[in-house]
Amino acid sequence: EAGVAQSPRYKIIEKRQSVAFWCNPISGHATLYWYQQILGQGPKLLIQFQNNGVVDDSQLPKDRFSAERLKGVDSTLKIQPAKLEDSAVYLCASSLDEGRGSSYNSPLHFGNGTRLTVT
Amino acid sequence: GIQVEQSPPDLILQEGANSTLRCNFSDSVNNLQWFHQNPWGQLINLFYIPSGTKQNGRLSATTVATERYSLLYISSSQTTDSGVYFCAVEEDKLIFGTGTRLQVFP
Repeated sequence: EAGVAQSPRYKIIEKRQSVAFWCNPISGHATLYWYQQILGQGPKLLIQFQNNGVVDDSQLPKDRFSAERLKGVDSTLKIQPAKLEDSAVYLCASSLDEGRGSSYNSPLHFGNGTRLTVT
Repeated sequence: GIQVEQSPPDLILQEGANSTLRCNFSDSVNNLQWFHQNPWGQLINLFYIPSGTKQNGRLSATTVATERYSLLYISSSQTTDSGVYFCAVEEDKLIFGTGTRLQVFP
């Protein structure tokens, strides 16, 4: 099966600019996640979608980050305006999990990520 | 919130050696997953293992949920095993551990 697709692979922007990342999950996967991974750390969840609804966005900096998942398939994550500390790899993941609250009852599959550098 | 600690933080092996990676967590969890992040950054799910033992080729994992730890065993290590190994546990979200960086030399 095709994996989780992400684009672009790399992005370099100046601070205060805007940037958007795109993710296409594995076909049929109901749950989609965006993670931020800062160099040397484990991934941190930014937002979780169940179909096209938000399950958890408690760690999303909502003053500058936004995400949407139209029609319950593809998703975009936007940063506006970017700060230096936003430099990181942004990972999209999906799982088959149909829900039951926020239970992670199936394995996560990750895309290759987008490496963002803010200068 | 739940704390997830992994040990050792760094591990250097010669090809063919065996190793055990440990993941300790501070509270009861609903499930646990092990991931391998290769040197190019790709995160691969190795095991979905809330309890018990599973094996996949040279890798196996054991989770003892009542004692709040999980172990990942790598036997006959190969250079392609190099990378960072993460465990992740579910609280109300998936919390990743600190990782173990493994380097396998020929």
